Parts: sequence; C-alpha cells; structure tokens
Amino acid sequence: DAKTTQPPSMDCAEGRAANLPCNHSTISGNEYVYWYRQIHSQGPQYIIHGLKNNETNEMASLIITEDRKSSTLILPHATLRDTAVYYCIVRVDEGNLFFGTGTRLTVIP
Amino acid sequence: GAVVSQHPSRVICKSGTSVKIECRSLDFQATTMFWYRQFPKQSLMLMATSNEGSKATYEQGVEKDKFLINHASLTLSTLTVTSAHPEDSSFYICSARDGRGSSYNEQFFGPGTRLTVL
Repeated sequence: DAKTTQPPSMDCAEGRAANLPCNHSTISGNEYVYWYRQIHSQGPQYIIHGLKNNETNEMASLIITEDRKSSTLILPHATLRDTAVYYCIVRVDEGNLFFGTGTRLTVIP
Repeated sequence: GAVVSQHPSRVICKSGTSVKIECRSLDFQATTMFWYRQFPKQSLMLMATSNEGSKATYEQGVEKDKFLINHASLTLSTLTVTSAHPEDSSFYICSARDGRGSSYNEQFFGPGTRLTVL
C-alpha cells in the first residue's frame, strides 16, 4: 500500500473549518483514500473515504486532487470533541489498513 | 452503524500468565478480523489478520505462538497473549470487516483493551 505523509500536528479554532492535508504521491489507480480518527484511548473511528471524486458525509468532506497525489479532509465546523489524531490511509479495495503517524488536531476554544 | 465490542476493556495481570481478549461484531458478520497493538504515543501496528475458520496471518515480527488468534465464528475472534511479560503491556485493538452486509468491505474498530503486565 502507498505511503502517506501528514503534518504531525495542527491547531484549529473552535467553530472554524479544519483542513487536514495528506500527501500520497505514490498512490496506485486502484487504491482508495481513507480517513480515520482516534480520540485518546479509544479505537479508531471511520470518517470518510474516496477514490477519485470528492466526497461528503455528515462528518466531513474529502477533497482529492485531480492527479490523486494528495487529499484534504475538511471538518467544516470544528468542535472540541474533534480533537483527535487523524489518519490518512491508502489501500486497495480489500487490502489491510496500515496506520501511519497521523496528524494530531487540537481544537482550541 | 456497525458496532464492534471488546472484552475486557482493561486487564492487569502478573508476568507469566495468559490473557484472553474477546472481539465481537454485534450487528454484522465479520468474515475478516484484525488485531492491532498500540504503544503509548505511537500509531497502531497491525499484528494479524484472520478469516473465519482459517488460521491467522501474522505480520512480520509478530510471534504467532505468543499471540494466539482464534476466529471461530463470524462474530467472534479472540486474542490470547500467552506468558505475558511487562513488554507486552499495550493497547490492543480489534477490527472487523463487514463481509456481507450493507456496509460491505468497511472496517470497524473496537474500543480497545488496555493490558498491563506487572
């Protein structure tokens, strides 16, 4: 599976949009981009995933560049409960999920 | 949404004893289950993958005789840490993939089990 690169940490003001970037320059054509998050001492929580098109659900939006070498997870109105480590993972359809180091997002009141 | 449970959530044991951790998919059939380990301030590391009724596939560096995995049914997998030592103290997280239902191929995680070996 392709490797991803994420900034180690980010801050965001409560109520503002949080934009978390991810680079996956070696992604293959059949690999999806997945985002999970892990709140302290809990199991990871699925957020969203996509292949080529931008995706939106009740939690977040996923913007994938046209060349698919990078993506951005957008939390439109961050709350304190969104403070967590966010993992960007690429995998084939039935592949395993391998976690990188992720981005620690801190939402500031 | 799909729910994965783990039991116990926390366990403390003496060095040399064995500990069993259960992972259950509550509202879907999990044809594949995964076990991860997470040390403090580190990311999750995949330990092994198991398919129902088959032997588990272990990642490189994970001792299969030390970490026994049983996936006897579509809703239950167990991880047994045999002869536990303090260096096995960690946060163990299971995950299950929905093999047949409405969330086909999605992977859901349990809440984790914190193991402390004295």
